[in-house]
Amino acid sequence: GAGVSQSPRYKVAKRGQDVALRCDPISGHVSLFWYQQALGQGPEFLTYFQNEAQLDKSGLPSDRFFAERPEGSVSTLKIQRTQQEDSAVYLCASSLADTDTQYFGPGTRLTVL
Amino acid sequence: ILNVEQSPQSLHVQEGDSTNFTCSFPSSNFYALHWYRWETAKSPEALFVMTLNGDEKKKGRISATLNTKEGYSYLYIKGSQPEDSATYLCALGPYQGAQKLVFGQGTRLTINP
Repeated sequence: GAGVSQSPRYKVAKRGQDVALRCDPISGHVSLFWYQQALGQGPEFLTYFQNEAQLDKSGLPSDRFFAERPEGSVSTLKIQRTQQEDSAVYLCASSLADTDTQYFGPGTRLTVL
Repeated sequence: ILNVEQSPQSLHVQEGDSTNFTCSFPSSNFYALHWYRWETAKSPEALFVMTLNGDEKKKGRISATLNTKEGYSYLYIKGSQPEDSATYLCALGPYQGAQKLVFGQGTRLTINP
C-alpha cells in the first residue's frame, strides 16, 4: 500500500524566504510526527499531532517554525524567514496510534543559501 | 536530557563478512527500542521494535538483541551484501510520557564488493 509521502523532495531557498513542506501520512494513521536531521546527526523531534491536535511542539527550534494538520490527515511544516542553520532533511512519520511503529517518508532536503 | 549513543559512527565491511554495532541508552524508564535502516534517497525502514529485556529478533540475515538492565542493544548482520549498505538508526521511545522517538546519530555501513 501507499506509504508516507513528502513533497517537495528537494528545496533550495534563499536566506529570508518562507518555505512550506508537505506530508501525506498513511491513510487512517492518527499520529503524525515531524523530525529534523542535520548533517551527521540523527533525526531530532520537532512536533507531534494526534489527529488535528498538536499535542507536542517542544522540539520546534524557534517561532519561525510552524506546523499544522487542519483536517487530521495532511500536514504542512512552514519555516518563515529561513536561515542557513535551517538546512537539513525534514522527515515526517505517521503511526496508527501513539505507541505504534512510526513509518517514515523519504524526507525533504532543504538547503538555505 | 535523554542520550542515545551509537557506535561506531561508520563501518566498512567486506562483502560476505558479518558485522555488528551497538546502541546504548539510559536503562531507567525504558519502554521500547526501535531499529531503522535508512538507504540513501529512500524512507527510513522499520526493522525491529524491542520491548522486553532479553528480546532477540530476526529478519533474514539481520538480528538484534536487547539488554534493558545495562542499557544496550546490538544489531547483527550475517554475510553482508551490497544492499545492506545504509545508515542504521536506533531510537528510544515513547519515553517518560512523550510520544516522540529519540534517535542516536546512526551507524553508516558500507559493504565493499
